[in-house]
Amino acid sequence: KQEVTQIPAALSVPEGENLVLNCSFTDSAIYNLQWFRQDPGKGLTSLLLIQSSQREQTSGRLNASLDKSSGRSTLYIAASQPGDSATYLCAVTSDRGSTLGRLYFGRGTQLTVWP
Amino acid sequence: KAGVTQTPRYLIKTRGQQVTLSCSPISGHRSVSWYQQTPGQGLQFLFEYFSETQRNKGNFPGRFSGRQFSNSRSEMNVSTLELGDSALYLCASSPSQGDRYGYTFGSGTRLTVV
Repeated sequence: KQEVTQIPAALSVPEGENLVLNCSFTDSAIYNLQWFRQDPGKGLTSLLLIQSSQREQTSGRLNASLDKSSGRSTLYIAASQPGDSATYLCAVTSDRGSTLGRLYFGRGTQLTVWP
Repeated sequence: KAGVTQTPRYLIKTRGQQVTLSCSPISGHRSVSWYQQTPGQGLQFLFEYFSETQRNKGNFPGRFSGRQFSNSRSEMNVSTLELGDSALYLCASSPSQGDRYGYTFGSGTRLTVV
C-alpha cells in the first residue's frame, strides 16, 4: 500500500530564507507527483506537477524535484515571503490497476514565514 | 475558465440525517474524485468516478455513496450522519484519471454534524 511521508511536519522561518520541504513515497508505481498548497479552511491549490518520467519542474520561486527510483521529492522555495505561509501537501497518483488514478497524500508541512 | 465548483460551501446537519454534496468539474474533465479531510486523519480518498462509472473506492462505510452524471457533475451522499463525519469534503477533477494533467481541487464543503 502506498504511503507518503512529509518532513518536517512544521517549519517556522524568517522572511527571505530559502527552504526545502521533503516528501517520500513507498511505491514507485506512480503516474506523477503533485505539490499542493492549502490555506486554513480552504481547498487545495496545485503548485507543481511532475510526471514520473521527469526530474524537476519550476514555477517562479518554486522548484520541485522527483527521484522516482528512491521514492523522494523535494520542494524548494526561494526567498520565502510571509504570503508563503500555508500547509504544503505532497501527493502521488497511483498507476496500479486496482488504484488507478487515486491520489495518496502526505500529512503536509505547515510553513510559517515571519516578517 | 471556471474551476471546480463545490456546493454548498458550509453545511450544519444533525446526527442521523443525510446530506448530499455537489461537485461541478472543469468543463471537459471526465474524472471526479472525492476526499475527506479531518485534522486527525488528514486527506482520505472516498471514491473516483470516470465517465459515470465508479472506478475506485476508498475504505469508507456504505453510508458514503456517490454518483456521476452524463455531464460529469458528481454528487456524494452520506446517510445516517455521525459526529465523526464532520470534515472538509473536497472534490477534484481531471481530464482523464490524473495521469498527464494531475488534479484540480475545489474549495470544499465544510460539513458540521451536531
